Amino acid sequence: GENVEQHPSTLSVQEGDSAVIKCTYSDSASNYFPWYKQELGKRPQLIIDIRSNVGEKKDQRIAVTLNKTAKHFSLHITETQPEDSAVYFCAASTGIIFGKGTRLHILP
Amino acid sequence: KAGVTQTPRYLIKTRGQQVTLSCSPISGHRSVSWYQQTPGQGLQFLFEYFSETQRNKGNFPGRFSGRQFSNSRSEMNVSTLELGDSALYLCASSLGGGEYSPLHFGNGTRLTVT
Repeated sequence: GENVEQHPSTLSVQEGDSAVIKCTYSDSASNYFPWYKQELGKRPQLIIDIRSNVGEKKDQRIAVTLNKTAKHFSLHITETQPEDSAVYFCAASTGIIFGKGTRLHILP
Repeated sequence: KAGVTQTPRYLIKTRGQQVTLSCSPISGHRSVSWYQQTPGQGLQFLFEYFSETQRNKGNFPGRFSGRQFSNSRSEMNVSTLELGDSALYLCASSLGGGEYSPLHFGNGTRLTVT
């Protein structure tokens, strides 16, 4: 079955700097890659997603890139702000299997 | 539009007991997935139901089971509870008609097994 690995497990960046979270997947049949953000005590919510026929997608300060050959995809957050502090989960389709999450800390 | 509703929000049970959790999806959503969330283990996939049929299943023991009703509402049952079953159980609904359906999560049921 599908396996999704996510790195790093914890990431601390200075406010205003960029953050990058990387995921790899195992099932080459996967063709949908969403990212979810979970703030403390709240439910996970979709922040951006990408389909396999697209290499990059951007929405304001967040972007996702996909390399199907290498089977990895990344979340990029630019100009980080305090409200970006949360746990981020990547996922792959074919059953929606999630990575273990990255806890992002934005330092003042 | 109402979001995904999970009941109850909190449960305390004793080892060996069984428990049933409920999930009402967003109106029009036909797929319901269940996840177990524990610190350090992320979101572990339990199973997915679509149109009353289990479509996908994760690697959990047979003590974990589920079902979906004709109105898309879903229940999850855990029998013979163990201490390690203490977790936040999240359900998520999606349109389910194809592969590109984002998940909409409920607030979860926090289960504590003593």
